[in-house]
Amino acid sequence: DADVTQTPRNRITKTGKRIMLECSQTKGHDRMYWYRQDPGLGLRLIYYSFDVKDINKGEISDGYSVSRQAQAKFSLSLESAIPNQTALYFCATSTAGRGYQETQYFGPGTRLLVL
Amino acid sequence: TQLLEQSPQFLSIQEGENLTVYCNSSSVFSSLQWYRQEPGEGPVLLVTVVTGGEVKKLKRLTFQFGDARKDSSLHITAAQTGDTGLYLCAGPRRGSTLGRLYFGRGTQLTVWP
Repeated sequence: DADVTQTPRNRITKTGKRIMLECSQTKGHDRMYWYRQDPGLGLRLIYYSFDVKDINKGEISDGYSVSRQAQAKFSLSLESAIPNQTALYFCATSTAGRGYQETQYFGPGTRLLVL
Repeated sequence: TQLLEQSPQFLSIQEGENLTVYCNSSSVFSSLQWYRQEPGEGPVLLVTVVTGGEVKKLKRLTFQFGDARKDSSLHITAAQTGDTGLYLCAGPRRGSTLGRLYFGRGTQLTVWP
């Protein structure tokens, strides 16, 4: 089984709808992240959480919210989806590593289309 | 403004050729990482370089971290079709939270047989 799973893998929704993307991990990591990937723009950080009670905004948090329900679960919500939120969304996990050698482990991604 | 600039954005070469991908910034980074992403999957870490001037080799891949820790390069010798993928550089900027990575836009490499 995959260490980092994302559901759903694909989603089509309409403008104005609320949707939730879910991420679960079995790696036992304390840190979790949500990124979005757009063609030609690389990965941009939306939110990150270093433990269950810690939530931090990334560089593009507007229009998104998150919930860290447990150490293993981190969900991303779009309260009112808009077309420019069409993207590939990745969840990642990590644990505080040796010095500056922290590795992030990514899920397989959720492809979201907002019509 | 992109903190890490990667070049080239696209690279299309024949099997057996050599290539270099660059990752540059005006900021100092605590370390730099290189990830490879294949279609339908998330990025996977290839290597982390930590010390200025450091060179790491992974079979046919050579990674270098600039002396000033503002840039890095990935050199592939005798490319193979299996090297095809999106290569991303990333790192924590010096002084920022360690787990907070900044990513470049990526280099899409296609190796033809």
